[in-house]
Amino acid sequence: EIVLTQSPGTLSLSPGERATLSCRASQSVSNDYLAWYQQKPGQAPRLLIYGASSRATGIPDRFSGSGSGTDFTLTISRVEPEDFAVYYCQQYGSLPRTFGQGTKVEIK
Amino acid sequence: EVQLVESGGGLVKPGGSLRLSCAASGFSFSNAWMNWVRQAPGKGLEWVGRIKSKINGGTTDYDAPVKGRFTISRDDSKNMLFLQMNSLKTDDTAMYYCTTEFWGCYNNWGQGTLVTVSS
Repeated sequence: EIVLTQSPGTLSLSPGERATLSCRASQSVSNDYLAWYQQKPGQAPRLLIYGASSRATGIPDRFSGSGSGTDFTLTISRVEPEDFAVYYCQQYGSLPRTFGQGTKVEIK
Repeated sequence: EVQLVESGGGLVKPGGSLRLSCAASGFSFSNAWMNWVRQAPGKGLEWVGRIKSKINGGTTDYDAPVKGRFTISRDDSKNMLFLQMNSLKTDDTAMYYCTTEFWGCYNNWGQGTLVTVSS
């Protein structure tokens, strides 16, 4: 099973700042099959990024993903008020599918 | 518009059973690979299992904690997905989400149904 470790646990930012979230895998993720999700309180998660760097339909271009192998990054170029949420990475290169424990982006 | 609506959650005693349903609309359900993902209160996301489309064999895969206790099935004639949960444990308490699978990740989610396992 691939274990995904996200850091930091919490990121405190002001609107307009840049957010950099990390996801590290315990072993190489096959074909860089790494996704990112956003979850707001009381809501289901929403797919942001798949294939490590491809934005899902309707996702603003301030969200970008990068990385390969075992190290992946989600970047929000300028955080908007609606971006304060919890973000999860997920690998789908092998079974079982696994998620990271999440990074909370909160208002500073 | 894709819609996934879960139902069937509730309070059940340890050792009991529950069957969750997911009504799908707005896409070709018979061609879709479908998954269940759960989230314990205040915790992160956990994959439960998936069922492939019948054209791809209709086979199922499960995460280790639920294998042998949970069964995923589908009724393509009714656009319905099911999760039969047996021998429930307190650790199974969670919000259960039905999702569509897009190359292995989850691009559409229902609103979830809450399962509470408690005596």
